[in-house]
Amino acid sequence: DADVTQTPRNRITKTGKRIMLECSQTKGHDRMYWYRQDPGLGLRLIYYSFDVKDINKGEISDGYSVSRQAQAKFSLSLESAIPNQTALYFCATSDPPGAAQYFGPGTRLTVL
Amino acid sequence: AQRVTQPEKLLSVFKGAPVELKCNYSYSGSPELFWYVQYSRQRLQLLLRHISRESIKGFTADLNKGETSFHLKKPFAQEEDSAMYYCALSGSRGGGSNYKLTFGKGTLLTVNP
Repeated sequence: DADVTQTPRNRITKTGKRIMLECSQTKGHDRMYWYRQDPGLGLRLIYYSFDVKDINKGEISDGYSVSRQAQAKFSLSLESAIPNQTALYFCATSDPPGAAQYFGPGTRLTVL
Repeated sequence: AQRVTQPEKLLSVFKGAPVELKCNYSYSGSPELFWYVQYSRQRLQLLLRHISRESIKGFTADLNKGETSFHLKKPFAQEEDSAMYYCALSGSRGGGSNYKLTFGKGTLLTVNP
């Protein structure tokens, strides 16, 4: 869905570096989410935001932080990247009712 | 707590054969269930949701509250159906209308020629 975009699409970094992944959406949705996808583990929720002033931790928030700069933008930061944060990261948006989520193309992050 | 279980990591069928991808859930309230599909190196796409009761690309899924299941079915599999399939559950937070999704670990379907 081209309405949800992520930058960068690929990133290789070193242990200890600070990394920011960005997500933008033009769907006008209030709710935004960050997930990581690992082989055999499916998608796991890192953080979610139901509006600009509402940010919540997901099941695996340790080592991550987020910023909701505007309704359309939701950034994920790794303050000090470590190798086990190597994964595919997806941003998603949703709007009630129905709660279906719409995903961005993903960012492949490699931490060396 | 809400949980989604997809018991099969891998499923392989031949073209034209029926296919069923299993999904079981655990949730104390009234859930909303979804199936998402991820083709190779692409983003997740919503395939179908139980509330719409529609058929997409020949796939259907029926919510069985008694068995807490939401299995995905297609009578005749096609090679282009080869993908990763995720079952997901949406529940409420604090009794309100704030939902977040819980995903199963996915089933990789391979349809052989």
